[in-house]
Amino acid sequence: DTGVSQNPRHKITKRGQNVTFRCDPISEHNRLYWYRQTLGQGPEFLTYFQNEAQLEKSRLLSDRFSAERPKGSFSTLEIQRTEQGDSAMYLCASSPQRGGHEQFFGPGTRLTVL
Amino acid sequence: AQSVAQPEDQVNVAEGNPLTVKCTYSVSGNPYLFWYVQYPNRGLQFLLKYITGDNLVKGSYGFEAEFNKSQTSFHLKKPSALVSDSALYFCAVRVEYSGGGADGLTFGKGTHLIIQP
Repeated sequence: DTGVSQNPRHKITKRGQNVTFRCDPISEHNRLYWYRQTLGQGPEFLTYFQNEAQLEKSRLLSDRFSAERPKGSFSTLEIQRTEQGDSAMYLCASSPQRGGHEQFFGPGTRLTVL
Repeated sequence: AQSVAQPEDQVNVAEGNPLTVKCTYSVSGNPYLFWYVQYPNRGLQFLLKYITGDNLVKGSYGFEAEFNKSQTSFHLKKPSALVSDSALYFCAVRVEYSGGGADGLTFGKGTHLIIQP
């Protein structure tokens, strides 16, 4: 399967702990996106990368959140000092180029903060 | 700021009947519009997009959508619904790239489509 993959699929953590998620995009895609989806809502944009450069960050991305894409391939999203409000599905997507191309989404990582 | 509205939380259609899922948008600039479908425990799947050109666009699984600039709408349609079409549908928008960023998609809240046998 050459789609977008995300690991882990599920993560349960205690409030105050740090968590890290990984996203592997489709191999030839140079753009990578992170979204957050809570129950009953559509995905909300967090940030995106073109190759290794982080080009845009949403106001939703507080200083406890950090994302990296060190070699322009896979990406990680880290949440420090998790809060119960961070509980959500974290989605990763990739696309081959700008200019209207659709984004291809991974299955998501479901985070539960106890 | 750009926004998307899906006015119906749920749409119920009998199998074999035509279906419409509504979407309106608000952007500054030329919109790129998308429809995605989400099945339980699965990721978002791309259905179709409008970038430019013909206002009626055709996509996967027999779905189509009509772009209406004057009404700022992009309704999803299918002539004959199948039970397997039952899922959560999302409309999304982004502005035509102008070199100034804003590349992330803005999604609506989603519409549950239920096709009754």
